[in-house]
Amino acid sequence: DAGVTQSPTHLIKTRGQHVTLRCSPISGHKSVSWYQQVLGQGPQFIFQYYEKEERGRGNFPDRFSARQFPNYSSELNVNALLLGDSALYLCASSLGQGVWGYTFGSGTRLTVV
Amino acid sequence: GQQLNQSPQSMFIQEGEDVSMNCTSSSIFNTWLWYKQDPGEGPVLLIALYKAGELTSNGRLTAQFGITRKDSFLNISASIPSDVGIYFCAGQLLSGSGGSNYKLTFGKGTLLTMNP
Repeated sequence: DAGVTQSPTHLIKTRGQHVTLRCSPISGHKSVSWYQQVLGQGPQFIFQYYEKEERGRGNFPDRFSARQFPNYSSELNVNALLLGDSALYLCASSLGQGVWGYTFGSGTRLTVV
Repeated sequence: GQQLNQSPQSMFIQEGEDVSMNCTSSSIFNTWLWYKQDPGEGPVLLIALYKAGELTSNGRLTAQFGITRKDSFLNISASIPSDVGIYFCAGQLLSGSGGSNYKLTFGKGTLLTMNP
């Protein structure tokens, strides 16, 4: 079975641009969560979606938004990129809303220049 | 954002040594998780703890959920070269609100390196 897949794997953007990151959960998983991992730090929670609804939001500005599609895949959108948005963006999927079966993808490395 | 206090920040060890690392928080958690992250990869779950006082093993790894629900430790016995990497603790915060029940709060990680 395929694990959590994220695309693209690497991305370079210019300040002020917009970016869309994509995540496909493990088959059968209905929850997708997004995390930002800045170099040298642990992952920070951004969003959780379950059954296509936002179920949790971390302390991130409104420039960050996400959605979940009927097939449970998800997109993370970031507008007006700042240099400080450079990070590894991780997606995790789980069966339900809890942490049972919580599995991370390999992430998208975003560099803002 | 909030992060757990994880120590030590880094460790240099010899092959065959035992390793200990721990994580503390000012908040109560109802679940503790330990992950390992290799370069260019996402975190991989090593051990999950669901009850205060619980002691769980996974091969050479042993982890405990502190009785106060505010701490956890991870031990690795007889370390081998493939144990090198970054280890993260993560907790699920006990909260009365909705979606915030399900986020994970991570420590800053412990970098484990091995002397050749």
